[in-house]
Amino acid sequence: KAGVTQTPRYLIKTRGQQVTLSCSPISGHRSVSWYQQTPGQGLQFLFEYFSETQRNKGNFPGRFSGRQFSNSRSEMNVSTLELGDSALYLCASSSGGTGNEQFFGPGTRLTVL
Amino acid sequence: GQSLEQPSEVTAVEGAIVQINCTYQTSGFYGLSWYQQHDGGAPTFLSYNGLDGLEETGRFSSFLSRSDSYGYLLLQELQMKDSASYFCAVRVSGGSYIPTFGRGTSLIVHP
Repeated sequence: KAGVTQTPRYLIKTRGQQVTLSCSPISGHRSVSWYQQTPGQGLQFLFEYFSETQRNKGNFPGRFSGRQFSNSRSEMNVSTLELGDSALYLCASSSGGTGNEQFFGPGTRLTVL
Repeated sequence: GQSLEQPSEVTAVEGAIVQINCTYQTSGFYGLSWYQQHDGGAPTFLSYNGLDGLEETGRFSSFLSRSDSYGYLLLQELQMKDSASYFCAVRVSGGSYIPTFGRGTSLIVHP
């Protein structure tokens, strides 16, 4: 079974621009979650999509948005980028039920200049 | 909301045993997970405790005490490759069961 894939792996943008990140979950997984990881801050939850619906949302500003397609692939968008948005953005997929394990992708390293 | 506390850094020598503690405050607690992340890598699932007690998986064991809101990850026969960050994460019921992660513990294993 192929793992979770994320594209692009690296991205450099400037302040004010917007960016779209993509995540393809493991086949059969209907839940996709997004996390922001910065040094010393752990993994901060952005949002979760399940069957094309946002099911859970973290405490991030409205500049961060996402969506999920019928094939469970998900995209995350950040508008009006700020320097503080520089981070590793991780996507994780799971079956979406009470299963214990989330499977993470390699992440997208976003640098905002 | 939820909050988790774990040490920021732990050091040990090869062959030793190390314990990484995690205390949490949350309502609707459902279970505690542990993940490992090497530098530049993705987090990978290590273990899960839904009930009190010890879960053993090879060199790694995880413990949970729901009454104390406390858990730990125990790593035995440490190897250099165990140098990584370790995250505890709580799952709560009543929602989508998506885990909330702690800030992680950096484990440094010395020869």
